[in-house]
Amino acid sequence: DSGVTQTPKHLITATGQRVTLRCSPRSGDLSVYWYQQSLDQGLQFLIQYYNGEERAKGNILERFSAQQFPDLHSELNLSSLELGDSALYFCASSSRGGQGPDTQYFGPGTRLTVL
Amino acid sequence: GENVEQHPSTLSVQEGDSAVIKCTYSDSASNYFPWYKQELGKGPQLIIDIRSNVGEKKDQRIAVTLNKTAKHFSLHITETQPEDSAVYFCAASLGFGNEKLTFGTGTRLTIIP
Repeated sequence: DSGVTQTPKHLITATGQRVTLRCSPRSGDLSVYWYQQSLDQGLQFLIQYYNGEERAKGNILERFSAQQFPDLHSELNLSSLELGDSALYFCASSSRGGQGPDTQYFGPGTRLTVL
Repeated sequence: GENVEQHPSTLSVQEGDSAVIKCTYSDSASNYFPWYKQELGKGPQLIIDIRSNVGEKKDQRIAVTLNKTAKHFSLHITETQPEDSAVYFCAASLGFGNEKLTFGTGTRLTIIP
């Protein structure tokens, strides 16, 4: 158990809908990262937050957005869902973020299925 | 941006034998190289990592070597056991303000009893 929690574990929805994925980082960690894992794209970085501020952005679609709250939990919002958005979404956390190479600990993921 | 290539994509070894997985990276500024193990239905689990000022690191049956000149790093698992069967991912990051991990495509390791 990495100490990173994600909810829900599974999510099934229809095209065009909007969903919110939630992540709680390890106690004391200030950075949260979101990754998408799909069969064709592999594991891809989406976005990083550090202590409430956006720190880095990857290949995140404009239909996707994220935020980190004062209690450091983070939410990833996916809207206007398409079939191709079906994937595993992982959250990771690390303690520092930006002050040197920092170990990232991954949560168990949310499996999103868009029908 | 950074590109990480990983080989082989699948690997089968007899229990007790060694397994080696290799990765190359493109950005010479990368300085942090973790390895993750992912079991079915679970998130990636860090098994070992190495920073660019170190050439080799070992933790019991697992070791990682880094060759910065050639821009490649390898994972070595000795005395393999059935519980080592999983998908292994290498990754690289620049660190120091750019912590995003760029992952390899994964190696499915199967240990044959």
